[in-house]
Amino acid sequence: DTGVSQNPRHKITKRGQNVTFRCDPISEHNRLYWYRQTLGQGPEFLTYFQNEAQLEKSRLLSDRFSAERPKGSFSTLEIQRTEQGDSAMYLCASSSGTATDTQYFGPGTRLTVL
Amino acid sequence: GESVGLHLPTLSVQEGDNSIINCAYSNSASDYFIWYKQESGKGPQFIIDIRSNMDKRQGQRVTVLLNKTVKHLSLQIAATQPGDSAVYFCAENISQAGTALIFGKGTTLSVSS
Repeated sequence: DTGVSQNPRHKITKRGQNVTFRCDPISEHNRLYWYRQTLGQGPEFLTYFQNEAQLEKSRLLSDRFSAERPKGSFSTLEIQRTEQGDSAMYLCASSSGTATDTQYFGPGTRLTVL
Repeated sequence: GESVGLHLPTLSVQEGDNSIINCAYSNSASDYFIWYKQESGKGPQFIIDIRSNMDKRQGQRVTVLLNKTVKHLSLQIAATQPGDSAVYFCAENISQAGTALIFGKGTTLSVSS
């Protein structure tokens, strides 16, 4: 499978715990994005990487959230001290950075904070 | 076929009908638009895109129409099949400025056989 992959697919945690999600983009895609989607809503942008550089962050990305893409390939999204309001689907997308620049999404990680 | 002029959260059609899903976008500076299909428990799947220098683009069984005057986008699905049942989102982007996609309100398409 050469699409975007995300792990884990599901995560259940208790409030206050830290969680980390991983995204592996399509090979050779230099742009990587994180979005959050709550039930019944469209995805909302969180942050974006061009290679290893984090170039844009949404106001939705509070101080408890941190994302990295250390080698310009896979990325991790960490949420510290999780809150019930963090429960959502976390989606990763990647794009080639060319003029077309279509974003292709992974299957998402479903986070449930108890 | 089923046709709606305004965005509706749900659309129910019979198998074989044509479906039209509408979307109003927010930013007149947006120049790139994408339709995604999202099935339950899965990530959004790319269907078709269109740039602002076009007003129509066709794919396999799908057509996207863009009306920049009224900031309106539509997705037409020909001969709708049960496998087309999903939530459909339009997304907009300003390709020269930012890279974040802004998603519209989704439409749940239900196809009955």
